[in-house]
Amino acid sequence: DAKTTQPPSMDCAEGRAANLPCNHSTISGNEYVYWYRQIHSQGPQYIIHGLKNNETNEMASLIITEDRKSSTLILPHATLRDTAVYYCIVRVGNFGNEKLTFGTGTRLTIIP
Amino acid sequence: EAQVTQNPRYLITVTGKKLTVTCSQNMNHEYMSWYRQDPGLGLRQIYYSMNVEVTDKGDVPEGYKVSRKEKRNFPLILESPSPNQTSLYFCASSLRAQGLYNSPLHFGNGTRLTVT
Repeated sequence: DAKTTQPPSMDCAEGRAANLPCNHSTISGNEYVYWYRQIHSQGPQYIIHGLKNNETNEMASLIITEDRKSSTLILPHATLRDTAVYYCIVRVGNFGNEKLTFGTGTRLTIIP
Repeated sequence: EAQVTQNPRYLITVTGKKLTVTCSQNMNHEYMSWYRQDPGLGLRQIYYSMNVEVTDKGDVPEGYKVSRKEKRNFPLILESPSPNQTSLYFCASSLRAQGLYNSPLHFGNGTRLTVT
């Protein structure tokens, strides 16, 4: 499975858009990019995922570069409740061994 | 309510005393998995299961056992716990285990285990 690289921490002002980058330069053609977040020590919460097209849902937008080697999670209007650790992972999109690797993520702090 | 339920939430035990952490999901999910989370190391996969009676090792399986006799349950067993297994444990499930991965993982609320 492709490994991902994320910055360890980021700050964002409340009300602004938070842009969280992820590098996955070894991603394969059938691997999906997933984003999760973890607030305090609760279970990780699913945010969004995509294969090659940009995706948007009620929580966030996901921008995947054309070569698929990196992506950006966008929280359009960050609130204090978005303070969390954000994980970017890739997941094989076809039959095969199912192994997932969460890295150490990005700790996002929303500043009032 | 669709959910993944882990029990207990907190557990303190002594070295060598066998314990089981239960995990149950009510969403008819094929895939289930266990993770441990330690400071600075992120989430690491212990074991996973693609379906009933199908289990496989993750990245850190040593000292753990699992079973998948029913689709909804995936208990984590520590036959002889040691202090280095003190950690925060999460169970997760997703609808599909194979094919296109349009099925997000749903996580339980965690079990904080302390082994003295």
